[in-house]
Amino acid sequence: DAGVTQSPTHLIKTRGQHVTLRCSPISGHKSVSWYQQVLGQGPQFIFQYYEKEERGRGNFPDRFSARQFPNYSSELNVNALLLGDSALYLCASSDPGLNTEAFFGQGTRLTVV
Amino acid sequence: AQRVTQPEKLLSVFKGAPVELKCNYSYSGSPELFWYVQYSRQRLQLLLRHISRESIKGFTADLNKGETSFHLKKPFAQEEDSAMYYCALSGYTGNQFYFGTGTSLTVIP
Repeated sequence: DAGVTQSPTHLIKTRGQHVTLRCSPISGHKSVSWYQQVLGQGPQFIFQYYEKEERGRGNFPDRFSARQFPNYSSELNVNALLLGDSALYLCASSDPGLNTEAFFGQGTRLTVV
Repeated sequence: AQRVTQPEKLLSVFKGAPVELKCNYSYSGSPELFWYVQYSRQRLQLLLRHISRESIKGFTADLNKGETSFHLKKPFAQEEDSAMYYCALSGYTGNQFYFGTGTSLTVIP
């Protein structure tokens, strides 16, 4: 198993554009969460999805949205990009039915110019 | 609101010396506490969680509800312990974590 995979690994966008980040969880994991990690800070919780339903949302504007597909993969969408959206976006998967350990992907480095 | 505080951004210790990484939290309910570690060029991974009460790679952490702390300790630091350490809490049995700002530990040979 390759673990949690995220794509792309790096991305450069212009202010005002839209971006879609993708995450494939570990096989069998039904929960996916997204985090934003700004340089020098810890990861900040954005969304959690479980069985295709949103189960939690952090303190982020409505420009941020996400969804989970029937195969449990997930997309994070950010509209009207701002310079401050530049960060490492992490995806984590888990199976709440077994334990609370979350397995993280390597992240997508988004740079907004 | 939940909050995790790691007061030290950087911490350096000599090999063989004891190390303690501090973590304090605030949460209105009964949180689960975790330590995650990120080694150079690797992804974030779980080190230990308070409900397991186990020692991983010689590290231990005790949840002190009175002081709302979950400090990470190791009696004898090793060079391979050099990494970024994040304290995190979860108030939900699932995949919603609230992280501190992290402590970068350097073990000097």
